[in-house]
Amino acid sequence: KNEVEQSPQNLTAQEGEFITINCSYSVGISALHWLQQHPGGGIVSLFMLSSGKKKHGRLIATINIQEKHSSLHITASHPRDSAVYICAVSSGGSNYKLTFGKGTLLTVNP
Amino acid sequence: KAGVTQTPRYLIKTRGQQVTLSCSPISGHRSVSWYQQTPGQGLQFLFEYFSETQRNKGNFPGRFSGRQFSNSRSEMNVSTLELGDSALYLCASTSRGSEQYFGPGTRLTVT
Repeated sequence: KNEVEQSPQNLTAQEGEFITINCSYSVGISALHWLQQHPGGGIVSLFMLSSGKKKHGRLIATINIQEKHSSLHITASHPRDSAVYICAVSSGGSNYKLTFGKGTLLTVNP
Repeated sequence: KAGVTQTPRYLIKTRGQQVTLSCSPISGHRSVSWYQQTPGQGLQFLFEYFSETQRNKGNFPGRFSGRQFSNSRSEMNVSTLELGDSALYLCASTSRGSEQYFGPGTRLTVT
């Protein structure tokens, strides 16, 4: 069993829909990271959180430490949100060694 | 501030050769981490350097090595290349307690 599990693996949505991507982890963590990867490879860090909730524009990330679960929400989705979203955790007291989920491929159709 | 840069962006090597990849972190960032991304295994942590010292290491064979210079620039080296080393190699830099900033990656093809 992977230490970081994401669901769904693939997600297709219509423009404007509310999107949720889930992440569960099995180890103690110091932080959880949500990353975005567009075709071509570039990765952008969206959120780093260790408790509660963070919001940036149309993106919201939540984490429940007790349940070892995090969600990434996208409100009013847009075709430019199409990308792979990757959940990763840092553990062992280090924020610099990440363990990754397999990613969720999101396609938003106009 | 300039972002993380990696050179070269693309590389084709032959089995048995060695390769050196370079990463220049964001100015002021002292931690550099390296990751390998393949279609089969996804993203995997290789190693992390801070102030010229390797602080963390992933589960990769000894053919994979790295170093960091006094200006925080980092290099990783893969010796005796195998076909399975074909991958996108990403580095990321961090300042204390912050999120990681990723470079564009080096796409290595081993033939």
